[in-house]
Formats: sequence, structure tokens, C-alpha cells
Amino acid sequence: GAVVSQHPSWVICKSGTSVKIECRSLDFQATTMFWYRQFPKQSLMLMATSNEGSKATYEQGVEKDKFLINHASLTLSTLTVTSAHPEDSSFYICSALRDYYGYTFGSGTRLTVV
Amino acid sequence: QKEVEQNSGPLSVPEGAIASLNCTYSDRGSQSFFWYRQYSGKSPELIMFIYSNGDKEDGRFTAQLNKASQYVSLLIRDSQPSDSATYLCAVKTSYDKVIFGPGTSLSVIP
Repeated sequence: GAVVSQHPSWVICKSGTSVKIECRSLDFQATTMFWYRQFPKQSLMLMATSNEGSKATYEQGVEKDKFLINHASLTLSTLTVTSAHPEDSSFYICSALRDYYGYTFGSGTRLTVV
Repeated sequence: QKEVEQNSGPLSVPEGAIASLNCTYSDRGSQSFFWYRQYSGKSPELIMFIYSNGDKEDGRFTAQLNKASQYVSLLIRDSQPSDSATYLCAVKTSYDKVIFGPGTSLSVIP
């Protein structure tokens, strides 16, 4: 099946530092990837849509200067949380569409900012 | 009105029973509908997707779609304790975004 590899699976960082999360489509090309955030006991909230070779589209209320998204190739999209603060601690998940398999998710990254 | 709503849980059913999960959506132009299962601390995994009105069956799972009523459901037959998880309804809207519902927590009691 379609596989999206996401890493790191968990990361702890100090407040004020930046963290990069990578998502790779392993057996297909992903023109578009989606980035979600999930707080405990809540559903997935779409943060942004990442398109290969163009600027990401951010959802209302998501700071584009804080959550930098780069989709430089058809198999790699990255999300960088800049100047992280404790309130950014969350579960971040990427997703890509693969024909027939539907939207496939990465394994998620649990970010803890201390 | 939220874009995707699900029946509030938690939902508890005895082992072997049928679990029924419901979802409604607001964008009438939506074309694709998905059901995901998410275990605590894990990423969602796709169970079913459905595009056409009617029923779609896959093993113990049946998805039902009624576009006129803007309603999609998931039935789980012969529920097992391993089915205990949060079930997320997702809708691909007419503006090409996949929006998730809040999820319904299902508990299957042995």
C-alpha cells in the first residue's frame, strides 16, 4: 500500500528553538501534501496544504511565518516550527493522496516544547 | 455550523453487536468521504472510502452515503474489542480540502 514516512516520531525541544518535521512518500509521487495538528482528545485540524514547487496554502489562523512548509520535490515535504513555544506542543501529521488508497497518513510527530 | 459533525460518544457496544457511527457534512458539493480509525497516540488509518450514493461493504465494515441528506455512516458488524478506537469521518470538500469530524470514541465490551 501507499506509504508516507514521517520523522522524527517524537521530539523534545527547548522554547525558542526550531524543529523540522519531514514527510516522504515512499512508493508514489505526492503533488500535494497536507499538514494537520491534533491536540489531545481533539480531531485533526488542517494547518496547510503543501504543493510541490509552489507556496503552501495556510488555513485561517495558522501563522505562515511560524510554520514554514517546503515541498521541494514530489516525494518530500517539510514542516518547520520556528521559535517553538509550549503551546505548539502537539501531534503533527502529514497526509498525501494516493489513487485508490485514499489519503494516507504519516505516522505522526509528537512535539513537546519545554 | 461545523463542516463535518459526528454523533457524540463515547459509544459502547457489546462484543458481537453492530456499531453504528454517523456523520453529517455541510458542503453539498463534497464528493469523497472517508472513515478512519485512530488508536490512542497513533496516526489515523483508512478503513473505507466511498464516492457514490448507497452502500459499500468491505468485510465487517459497511459505509453508507446519502448525498441528498448530506449523511454518511459506518456500520461495524460483529464488533470486536480490537475495534475499540476513535473513528474519524473525513470529507473532501468542493474546494479540495479534506476536513475531519471531531471523531466518535467506540468501546466494544467483551
